Amino acid sequence: AQSVTQPDIHITVSEGASLELRCNYSYGATPYLFWYVQSPGQGLQLLLKYFSGDTLVQGIKGFEAEFKRSQSSFNLRKPSVHWSDAAEYFCAVGVRGSGGSNYKLTFGKGTLLTVNP
Amino acid sequence: NAGVTQTPKFQVLKTGQSMTLQCAQDMNHEYMSWYRQDPGMGLRLIHYSVGAGITDQGEVPNGYNVSRSTTEDFPLRLLSAAPSQTSVYFCASSQTPLYGYTFGSGTRLTVV
Repeated sequence: AQSVTQPDIHITVSEGASLELRCNYSYGATPYLFWYVQSPGQGLQLLLKYFSGDTLVQGIKGFEAEFKRSQSSFNLRKPSVHWSDAAEYFCAVGVRGSGGSNYKLTFGKGTLLTVNP
Repeated sequence: NAGVTQTPKFQVLKTGQSMTLQCAQDMNHEYMSWYRQDPGMGLRLIHYSVGAGITDQGEVPNGYNVSRSTTEDFPLRLLSAAPSQTSVYFCASSQTPLYGYTFGSGTRLTVV
């Protein structure tokens, strides 16, 4: 079965500093990979996705992520963090279920980002 | 567009009561899912649907039922509420999962 690991439960960075959130997945085939962000009391918003092609993908709000097959990783990065980026970030892997046409999304447990002024 | 609408936003139930969490989307999406979110656990898939009349179990289906009679609606039924079902529930939909899911704003359920 597929799984997603986000090693860092909580990360604190200063405003203007660079950010990297780690994500490792376990899946036999090439997965569909996603990063979502959740602000307090809100639902999840899609930041970016990868399913084929260029391994460096750009998303909204200045985020990017790089797919590294050899490391089974899909780390999220941002060169300069803003106070409004404080939120919880979830990595997710999408896999086909039984029958080939079904589709399921498995989430990591999340990384809480705190931004200091 | 309203997107994905979940009702109610908050609910308190007594142990043993039943209720239905409503989810509706107006984007004509085929794929719909229910997740529960618990502290330190991330989101866990309860049930999902790939179209009207087609549903399947996710990771934590026990104690929940779903049906999908229309493309727009995907209600989640709690048959006999238990304190372990205290959680935040999210509904999500997608036309093509490769494009990612659109999430509702959630229902916070407390079972006492």
